[in-house]
Amino acid sequence: DTAVSQTPKYLVTQMGNDKSIKCEQNLGHDTMYWYKQDSKKFLKIMFSYNNKELIINETVPNRFSPKSPDKAHLNLHINSLELGDSAVYFCASSQRAQETQYFGPGTRLLVL
Amino acid sequence: SQQGEEDPQALSIQEGENATMNCSYKTSINNLQWYRQNSGRGLVHLILIRSNEREKHSGRLRVTLDTSKKSSSLLITASRAADTASYFCATDAGGSYIPTFGRGTSLIVHP
Repeated sequence: DTAVSQTPKYLVTQMGNDKSIKCEQNLGHDTMYWYKQDSKKFLKIMFSYNNKELIINETVPNRFSPKSPDKAHLNLHINSLELGDSAVYFCASSQRAQETQYFGPGTRLLVL
Repeated sequence: SQQGEEDPQALSIQEGENATMNCSYKTSINNLQWYRQNSGRGLVHLILIRSNEREKHSGRLRVTLDTSKKSSSLLITASRAADTASYFCATDAGGSYIPTFGRGTSLIVHP
């Protein structure tokens, strides 16, 4: 069974649209994360969510919003998509913050 | 700039050789982690080393940490073609809950 899963794997959409990426972990972890990896492989933390406490990277535009319906899920909603949002988005989880993270397979987003 | 930065950016070696990658960071840390990313995949955790540790081993991997120099190294011994991947270090930036990754070292091992 996949420990951290993401859907969809690929997402191609037009500029201006709103889209969501889903993430689920079956590890019983308390902390979940969203990362953006650009074409140069730079991996940038977007959000950290721990026991209903959301820690936001201040550089992330407010068009991006994480939503956690329960401890096992942290979805990423993006409003008004822009060309620069094209990247691979990774979800991850860890038992506690600062501990080993388990990554999902990534969602490849292409904004046209 | 990001907390952790890997060096070199790219490394190309022959199978059987050792590969050494370095990571430098700026502020104090609680722990430092190394991850591997195969092309088109998510990151896989390799080793976590805490600030009070100096060296850790896992199979063919050896990680060192020098807090006085704010640097860490990852050594892969007797490399294999399957080790071809990008390797990232991640730090917690002095207790912050925001983990910070570097840009990674791209390792190619030629068979």
